[in-house]
Amino acid sequence: NAGVTQTPKFRVLKTGQSMTLLCAQDMNHEYMYWYRQDPGMGLRLIHYSVGEGTTAKGEVPDGYNVSRLKKQNFLLGLESAAPSQTSVYFCASSYGTGQGLLFEQFFGPGTRLTVL
Amino acid sequence: AQSVTQPDIHITVSEGASLELRCNYSYGATPYLFWYVQSPGQGLQLLLKYFSGDTLVQGIKGFEAEFKRSQSSFNLRKPSVHWSDAAEYFCAVGARGQGAQKLVFGQGTRLTINP
Repeated sequence: NAGVTQTPKFRVLKTGQSMTLLCAQDMNHEYMYWYRQDPGMGLRLIHYSVGEGTTAKGEVPDGYNVSRLKKQNFLLGLESAAPSQTSVYFCASSYGTGQGLLFEQFFGPGTRLTVL
Repeated sequence: AQSVTQPDIHITVSEGASLELRCNYSYGATPYLFWYVQSPGQGLQLLLKYFSGDTLVQGIKGFEAEFKRSQSSFNLRKPSVHWSDAAEYFCAVGARGQGAQKLVFGQGTRLTINP
């Protein structure tokens, strides 16, 4: 099992450009999440999905859009990148059943994005 | 609202010394608690978790944590640290909201090991 994979690993954008980050998981998890990590701020939830075809806003959704057309994939889009979106982005997934197991998240290796 | 506080931003210990990283949470119901570790340039790896039962939980890499409900704490410990333990450590609490289960993370504690 590959677990959670993210594409690309690194990217540099110019202000105003768009891009899509891809997250894939092969654990048949129902829930998927996108976080951003900035120094001293821990991980902040951008968007999440509780199943195929569903998405919801997290703590810091502005400037991002997501789609979950297939259960195993969760895409994060930046329509018009801004320097404030320079960050490390992590995708995670979790089971859809079982009390505590619902919260246990498996993380991808991250994507380091720089917006100039 | 749920929250997690890690009071120590940065801790330095000598190799072979004991370690305790602090975590305090705020949550009304029985919490689901986690510790994750992030090595430089890597993703997050689960160290251990508490769902219920025994309040002392064992994790990977020789780490353990103790859930203390009266203190709303879930501190991480290791008897003797190794140079490879240098990393950033995140405490998290499971939170329900908006029809989904989410994790709320603390700000992290960066651990440096002196040789």
